[in-house]
Amino acid sequence: EDQVTQSPEALRLQEGESSSLNCSYTVSGLRGLFWYRQDPGKGPEFLFTLYSAGEEKEKERLKATLTKKESFLHITAPKPEDSATYLCAVQGDGNEKLTFGTGTRLTIIP
Amino acid sequence: GAVVSQHPSWVICKSGTSVKIECRSLDFQATTMFWYRQFPKQSLMLMATSNEGSKATYEQGVEKDKFLINHASLTLSTLTVTSAHPEDSSFYICSTTWEGRGRDEQFFGPGTRLTVL
Repeated sequence: EDQVTQSPEALRLQEGESSSLNCSYTVSGLRGLFWYRQDPGKGPEFLFTLYSAGEEKEKERLKATLTKKESFLHITAPKPEDSATYLCAVQGDGNEKLTFGTGTRLTIIP
Repeated sequence: GAVVSQHPSWVICKSGTSVKIECRSLDFQATTMFWYRQFPKQSLMLMATSNEGSKATYEQGVEKDKFLINHASLTLSTLTVTSAHPEDSSFYICSTTWEGRGRDEQFFGPGTRLTVL
């Protein structure tokens, strides 16, 4: 059974203070690892898909990286508008099902 | 990008009543739609996968007779919670993949907050 563990559960940063969120996973044949952003009371918003170890993707202040066991979401010089819950999900070979972690609730303090 | 809408955005109902939630793909045809449930401070849990014109596939532990899914067209899927009880109170979210953008990206709707009294 696919499993995803995210840490920390919650993270408070000062504006401009860079940090990383962790996503550890076990999956039988990785088809893709996904990062989403979710604001309170809303559906997840797609950020990145990573397919193989060593791959990196960037979008504004966010960069996602992938190894065979975990993924990191690096946030550089965050702003208050980056406050949200960041979700990680994996998709195994042969199916479209996404298995989600419980997320990291990120708060950026002005 | 692709847009998915849900209606209603929130609903409050009495125990024992049925509630229907609609999920629409607004600018593309969605052959496959997914229904998730999210309890407070928990992860999204897949309930079922529906394909247009065929029966939905339910995840283990999800009662198909309680959560009725209909995917009658390429732009609309509905989830009906039958005889709802307080433990069914949750955030229900649908998603779909778009063939035109590749099947790896799932677009999510804004969610429906169900509260059963």
